Amino acid sequence: EVQLVESGGGFVQPGGSLRLSCAASGFTFSTYAMSWVRQAPGKGPEWVSAINGGGTSTYYADSVKGRFTISRDNSKNTLYLQMNSLRADDTAVYYCSKTPTLTPDYWGQGTLVTVSS
Amino acid sequence: DIQMTQSPSSLSASVGDRVTITCRASQGISDYLAWFQQKPGKAPKSLIYGASTLQSGVPSKFSGTGSGTDFTLTISSLQPEDFATYYCQQYNSYPITFGQGTRLEIK
Repeated sequence: EVQLVESGGGFVQPGGSLRLSCAASGFTFSTYAMSWVRQAPGKGPEWVSAINGGGTSTYYADSVKGRFTISRDNSKNTLYLQMNSLRADDTAVYYCSKTPTLTPDYWGQGTLVTVSS
Repeated sequence: DIQMTQSPSSLSASVGDRVTITCRASQGISDYLAWFQQKPGKAPKSLIYGASTLQSGVPSKFSGTGSGTDFTLTISSLQPEDFATYYCQQYNSYPITFGQGTRLEIK
């Protein structure tokens, strides 16, 4: 059974940093692209970033480019999202997803990031 | 960026009804179109990819059609568990973009 479990969310002040993690199980992690999608309160989903199976290619939404870094540790079956220079409009639930065809087939339960002073 | 526009934004229907939701892309995306269902406080659930291919475990009451710029999601014989918000998503090119959602409510 595929499981994706996010962690690392929390409350942070503007300009601060957080690192999200997503522990994956139930599939051969290294062979699948993975993505982060976020959802601000009361809004629709917004794609944030994606990474290929080997970790050699990464993609970002313009809204986070230069501030967020996606990475993965295939030896630990874990996906990461390093978030720097956080702003109030980064407040959202962040979901990791398994994306075999650039679109998710499985989603985690999400982790809430709140950016506020 | 490719803009995805869903219609209607909200829809009221009764148990047993058949409903159709439309998604239009601002430029051609071939069949790189997915549909998701989301219930309040829950993660999205993947329903369809490739415009018409059901994800594993998704019942055949859900069906998708379309190619290019115009796509539809049809849900037949609505049951109480089907009342949720539905989103389309294009993955033809980065940045990947979602529609604004269609809220399906019980009449």
